[in-house]
Amino acid sequence: GAGVSQTPSNKVTEKGKYVELRCDPISGHTALYWYRQSLGQGPEFLIYFQGTGAADDSGLPNDRFFAVRPEGSVSTLKIQRTERGDSAVYLCASSSVPNTEAFFGQGTRLTVV
Amino acid sequence: GQQLNQSPQSMFIQEGEDVSMNCTSSSIFNTWLWYKQDPGEGPVLLIALYKAGELTSNGRLTAQFGITRKDSFLNISASIPSDVGIYFCAGQRSGTASKLTFGTGTRLQVTL
Repeated sequence: GAGVSQTPSNKVTEKGKYVELRCDPISGHTALYWYRQSLGQGPEFLIYFQGTGAADDSGLPNDRFFAVRPEGSVSTLKIQRTERGDSAVYLCASSSVPNTEAFFGQGTRLTVV
Repeated sequence: GQQLNQSPQSMFIQEGEDVSMNCTSSSIFNTWLWYKQDPGEGPVLLIALYKAGELTSNGRLTAQFGITRKDSFLNISASIPSDVGIYFCAGQRSGTASKLTFGTGTRLQVTL
């Protein structure tokens, strides 16, 4: 596609539920990143994929968070047993190769009630 | 996680004025980047700096990579209403692929 696409744009879920957030990177981009942005803060790194593999998952806050990219294109961020503190905007970005300009999607605003 | 310190936190300026903001870190980065984020959108890259002491311009924007590699500065000349938004610095260390450490942001509002 023309840009990074994230769905849904907004997600409201109840505490304890499971959610999946989807990212469609720019076609042909091999590198994909997930960031989390809390209100009034800058984005914080979660995980980086090069192709199908997670090259750096050091930013995932705990084992409730997991991400996959099975075919090296679309990625899904999965959050189990959601907590109110998980409420944030989840941003996805992609780049053609690592260390080149990363293009961000519009984000998914997750609200846990 | 770590966030870089940006100042000012917010600023109100009049159209036509010049704007300066800066970003500091307690540790060294090998690349500094400046992004702008509009409401409901993802950050958009404005300027990238790759070398200590480097001064780079992009239209009315000028950014500098500090000599110590622990800071960076962004200047906007002759501000216009569409400059409104939140500006983030981001640092990148070598060997960490594209993992970026973002600043806390500077909110810019321009009055006519």
